[in-house]
Amino acid sequence: EVQLVESGGGLVQPGGSLRLSCVASGFTFSSYWMSWVRQAPGKGLEWVAKIKQDGSEKYYVDSVKGRFTISRDNAKNSLYLQVNSLRVEDTAVYYCARQGPGYWGQGTLVTVSS
Amino acid sequence: DVVMTQSPLSLPVTLGQPASVSCRSSQSLVYSDGNTYLTWFQQRPGQSPRRLIYKVSNRDSGVPDRFSGSGSGTDFTLKISRVEAEDAGIYYCMQATHWPPTFGQGTKVEIK
Repeated sequence: EVQLVESGGGLVQPGGSLRLSCVASGFTFSSYWMSWVRQAPGKGLEWVAKIKQDGSEKYYVDSVKGRFTISRDNAKNSLYLQVNSLRVEDTAVYYCARQGPGYWGQGTLVTVSS
Repeated sequence: DVVMTQSPLSLPVTLGQPASVSCRSSQSLVYSDGNTYLTWFQQRPGQSPRRLIYKVSNRDSGVPDRFSGSGSGTDFTLKISRVEAEDAGIYYCMQATHWPPTFGQGTKVEIK
């Protein structure tokens, strides 16, 4: 069974940083593109970033370029999102998702507030 | 960015009746490889999104056959042939032909 389990969210002040993690199981992690997608409270979905199987290609939505960094460790079946210079509008549930995305994690909530 | 426009945004439906959600894109979603990367998701209250349909009309494993997708170019439709209670939730279309992938605003399906 495919499982994606996110962690690392929390309450942070504007300008702060967090590192989100996603541990994958039930499939060959190194064979898939992986992504982060976010959803502000009560709002719709926004794709944040994606990374190729070997980490050689990374793509970001304009609103997070230069502030967020996606990475992966295939040996640990893990996906990461380093989020810096956080803004109030970055408040959202951040989902780890497998290519497609056909599978989603349960999400981790990031709240940016003073 | 490609704008995805769904209608209606709210859809009250009687159990056993059909339902239809429209999704229109601001640009053609036909990719250079000939595929059309239009996906439908269902999000039940308090849950993560679940993919129902990919590449316009391909149903995911485990998705009931009362769900179907159709369309081409810029106009797409998700149909539920006979709505069941478990179908309540928000439905999103998403395009992945152009970067960045973008989602529609969502259509809330409510059971009357």
